[in-house]
Parts: sequence; structure tokens; C-alpha cells
Amino acid sequence: EIVLMQSPGTLSLSPGERATLSCRASQSVSSSFLAWYQQKPGQAPRLLIYGASSRATGIPDRFSGSGSGTDFTLTISRLEPEDFAVYYCQQYESSPYTFGQGTKLEIK
Amino acid sequence: EMQLVESGGGLVQPGGSLRLSCVASGFTFSNYAIHWVRQAPGKGLEYVSAISSNGLSTYYANSVKGRFTISRDNSKNTLYLQMGSLRAEDMAVYYCARAYCSGGTCYHLHDYWGQGTLVTVSS
Repeated sequence: EIVLMQSPGTLSLSPGERATLSCRASQSVSSSFLAWYQQKPGQAPRLLIYGASSRATGIPDRFSGSGSGTDFTLTISRLEPEDFAVYYCQQYESSPYTFGQGTKLEIK
Repeated sequence: EMQLVESGGGLVQPGGSLRLSCVASGFTFSNYAIHWVRQAPGKGLEYVSAISSNGLSTYYANSVKGRFTISRDNSKNTLYLQMGSLRAEDMAVYYCARAYCSGGTCYHLHDYWGQGTLVTVSS
């Protein structure tokens, strides 16, 4: 089973700042089958990034994904008030298709 | 507008059964694999089950294998999850989610989600 570890657990930043979220896999995720989701309180998750770096439909270009192998990053270039939420990574290469434990992005 | 609407959640005793439904609209349901993902209160996400577009192929997480059954009725644009031998650890919001598909291949990631239905397992 591929275990995904996200860091930090909580990230405190101000609107306008840059956010960098990390997702590290216990073994290589080939073909970059790595996705990122955003979840706000009381809402369903929303797909942001797939294939490690491709933005999903309707996702603003301030969101970007990068990485390969075991180390992946979600970057939000300039935080907007609506970006404060919990972010999850997920690998969809091999069963069981696991999620990370989440990073909470909170307003400083 | 694309929609996934879950129903069927509620309170059930340990060892009991429940059937969840998910009705889809706004896209060609029969072209997509559909998944169930759950989230225990205050916890992270767990990918529970999936079914291919034609219903012939299924996936189950080890935690539910042998207890849950996924099925679909493409004539009704509806997905089901039959849950049995329910345990306290099955208590969660259950989301149905559409698979991301491209070039005729559907992947085990989820591009559109319903709002979820809460399953409570308690005596």
C-alpha cells in the first residue's frame, strides 16, 4: 500500500501570500498518478489537480502542482480568502487508492 | 448542470444493513465509472468502492470487502451501495463521485462529487 504523508499538518498564512503544500509517498507513484483536492467545511471535496500538474476544469491558474516519484507539491501563488480550506493528495496508480491525511490552510 | 445526489443514509445499529443511492444528472451516466468515497466525522477521506461504466468491474477497499456491494442501473442513472454487517468505524459521510475519464479510460480519481449522505452506526 502506498502511504501518503502530507506536510505541514496546518499552515497559517495571510491572504496574498504564497502557499506550498507537500505530499510525500512511501513508494514511487509512476506516471504521476497524483491528484490534489480542496475541501471547505460542510462541502464535498473539489478536484484541483490531476496527473501531478494538470489543473481540473475551472480551477484558477494560481493553483499549480509539481513533482514526480515520491515528492509532490501543491502551490497557491497568491492566496485568496476563499482558498483557506483543507487540502488532500491522492494517488490513483495502485490499489488501494490512498489519500493523504490532509493539510489545513488557515488564515493567520 | 452536472449533479450527483445521494440518499439513504441514517441511523443503523451495529450489525445492521443500509442501502445508499446516488442519482446522476447532467451527463451521460453510462459512460462513466462511479465511486463511493467516505469521510468519518472530523477525519480524512477514504476511497471505498468503484464500479465501471458497464457494471462489470468493481473495486472495494479492504475495510469493506465482503460486507459492501456496489451496483448500478444505467437505465435509471442510479448508483447503489448495499452495506451490511455495519460497524462503528463505518460511520461517515458517504459521497458518490464521478471518475475522471479521458480517451476512453476512467481513472480512480474523482472529478465531480455529490454532497454526501451521513451514515450513523450506533446502538
